[in-house]
Amino acid sequence: AQSVTQLGSHVSVSEGALVLLRCNYSSSVPPYLFWYVQYPNQGLQLLLKYTTGATLVKGINGFEAEFKKSETSFHLTKPSAHMSDAAEYFCAVRREYGNKLVFGAGTILRVKS
Amino acid sequence: EAQVTQNPRYLITVTGKKLTVTCSQNMNHEYMSWYRQDPGLGLRQIYYSMNVEVTDKGDVPEGYKVSRKEKRNFPLILESPSPNQTSLYFCASSLGLAGGRGTQYFGPGTRLTVL
Repeated sequence: AQSVTQLGSHVSVSEGALVLLRCNYSSSVPPYLFWYVQYPNQGLQLLLKYTTGATLVKGINGFEAEFKKSETSFHLTKPSAHMSDAAEYFCAVRREYGNKLVFGAGTILRVKS
Repeated sequence: EAQVTQNPRYLITVTGKKLTVTCSQNMNHEYMSWYRQDPGLGLRQIYYSMNVEVTDKGDVPEGYKVSRKEKRNFPLILESPSPNQTSLYFCASSLGLAGGRGTQYFGPGTRLTVL
C-alpha cells in the first residue's frame, strides 16, 4: 500500500535562505507524486507533480522537486525563501488503484524576516 | 473561472442533527472526492465518485454518506453528526486519473464543529 512520510512537522527558515521540505514515499508500483500548498484559510493548491519522464520537476512560485527512486524520496526545494512562502505543504502519492491520493501529515513552513 | 465551491464555509451544529455540505465544480470533471483534514494526520479521503451514480468509500467513510446525481455536484451528508466529526472538510475534483489529466482541484474548505 502507498504511504507518505513528511519529515518535520514544522520547518523554519530565514528569508532568502534555502527551503528544503522532505518527503519519502512507499509504493509497490511506479509512483505519481505531488506537492500541494495550503495558505491560511484556503484550500490546497497544486505546486508540482511527477508522473513519468524527467525526475527534476519544476513547479509554481520557484519551487522544484526531484524524484529519487533509489531513495524513495521527493523532496521539495526553493533556492531563496520569501515571506509569502509561509504556508503548510503536503506531499501526496497516488494510490495504486483508482484516482485516490494519499497525503502526508503536512509540514508548516515559517519564514523569518 | 474554473473552481470548486463548497457551502457552508463554517458550520457549528449539535450532535445528531443531520447536515449536508454541498460541493459543486464547473469544470465538467468526472472525478470528485471528499477529504477531511485533521492536525497531524494530513488529508484523509472519505468518499469519492468516478462519475454520475458511481461512488465508493475512501479511507474513513464511517458516519458519512454521499450522492452523485449530477456531474457537477457531490454533496457530503452527515446523518447523525458526532463530535469526532469536527474537522476541516475539502471537496476536490479532477478530469481523470491523478497522474495524467487528473490533477485534483480543491475547494476552499468547510470548517465543521459538532458540539
